[in-house]
Amino acid sequence: QQKVQQSPESLTVSEGAMASLNCTFSDGTSNNFRWYRQHSAKGLEVLVSIFSDGEKEEGRFTAHLNRANLHVSLHIREPQPSDSAVYLCAVSSNTNKVVFGTGTRLQVLP
Amino acid sequence: EAAVTQSPRNKVAVTGGKVTLSCNQTNNHNNMYWYRQDTGHGLRLIHYSYGAGSTEKGDIPDGYKASRPSQENFSLILELATPSQTSVYFCASGDDGTGGFGPGTRLTVL
Repeated sequence: QQKVQQSPESLTVSEGAMASLNCTFSDGTSNNFRWYRQHSAKGLEVLVSIFSDGEKEEGRFTAHLNRANLHVSLHIREPQPSDSAVYLCAVSSNTNKVVFGTGTRLQVLP
Repeated sequence: EAAVTQSPRNKVAVTGGKVTLSCNQTNNHNNMYWYRQDTGHGLRLIHYSYGAGSTEKGDIPDGYKASRPSQENFSLILELATPSQTSVYFCASGDDGTGGFGPGTRLTVL
């Protein structure tokens, strides 16, 4: 069964500094990866989707995927206090069942 | 205009009572999902559906039933609610495994 783990559990950065979040998965056949942002138990907002090795940029958010290393990361450029939230990694394969990580809580200090 | 809506947004139920959580989507997606979110567990899949009339068990289906009477509507039913089902429940739609998420329903079972 797919296992998805995120690190760190929490992260504090200063406004403007790069924030980097990590996600590892166990199923090497996974081919669909998404990063979500969740503000205070509200709905999930998709930030970036990536389907092949390399990087995918959406505004200030960049995902890096290395399937050989079973690793996908999210980098937030110039984070702002409004980016303070829980970030969730979601991984799926052709079976369409999605497995979520437990999240990284990001705090951005002004 | 929100494509995935949930009702109610908050619910307090008594142990042993019946609870129905409703989800409506205007995305015309075939696939719909019900998740619960608990601290330390992330989002876990309860039931999902491939279309009207279809329901499938997810990773934690025990104590829950689902109903998909139409393309737009997907309900989660707790026939005999228990305090362990206190959680935040999210509905999602999407033919590629994940799509838009609803805003969530906070359920408290006393």
